[in-house]
Amino acid sequence: QVQLVESGGGVVQPGGSLRLSCADSGFTFSNFGMHWIRQAPGKGLEWVAVISYDGRFEYYADSVKGRFTIFRDNSKHTLYLQMNSLRPEDTAIYYCARKLMGGDYFDPWGQGTLVTVSS
Amino acid sequence: EVVLTQSPVTLSLSPGARVTLSCRASQSVDSYLAWYQQSPGQPPRLLIYDASNRATGIPARFSGSGSGTDFTLTISSLEPEDFAVYYCQQRSNWPITFGQGTRLEIK
Repeated sequence: QVQLVESGGGVVQPGGSLRLSCADSGFTFSNFGMHWIRQAPGKGLEWVAVISYDGRFEYYADSVKGRFTIFRDNSKHTLYLQMNSLRPEDTAIYYCARKLMGGDYFDPWGQGTLVTVSS
Repeated sequence: EVVLTQSPVTLSLSPGARVTLSCRASQSVDSYLAWYQQSPGQPPRLLIYDASNRATGIPARFSGSGSGTDFTLTISSLEPEDFAVYYCQQRSNWPITFGQGTRLEIK
């Protein structure tokens, strides 16, 4: 049973930083690309970033480019999202999700971690 | 970026009903489209990928069709647990984008 568990969310002031983690269990983490997707309270889904299975390829949504960094440690079976220069509009539940082997679809998802950017 | 427009925004139906949800893309995404279901307080769950392929463990009452710019998700007979929000998502062009969602409510 594949399970992804996010952590690291919390309340941070505008301009601050936060690092999210996503730990896997139950599958060969190093074989799969991974994504971060977020959902503002009561709103829809917004894709944030992707990283290839080996960490060589990264891609970001324009809304976070230059502020967020996705990276992974395959030896620890963990995915990360370093978030800098946070803005109130970054407030959301952040989900990590595994890339489907056949393409950039998301399955499974973690339960999510809430990030609140507020003064 | 590819804009996905879902319709209707909200739908009220009874258990046992057949329902068809729509997703229209602003440009062709070939068959690179998925559908997700999100129940309250839960992360989304992949239902359909590449327009018509059911994900692992998804019941046969869920089916997807379409290509190019017009796609549909059909639920043949609604079960109580199907009342949720449904999103479409394209992977044809970066950035990956989602539709705004369709809320399926119990009538």
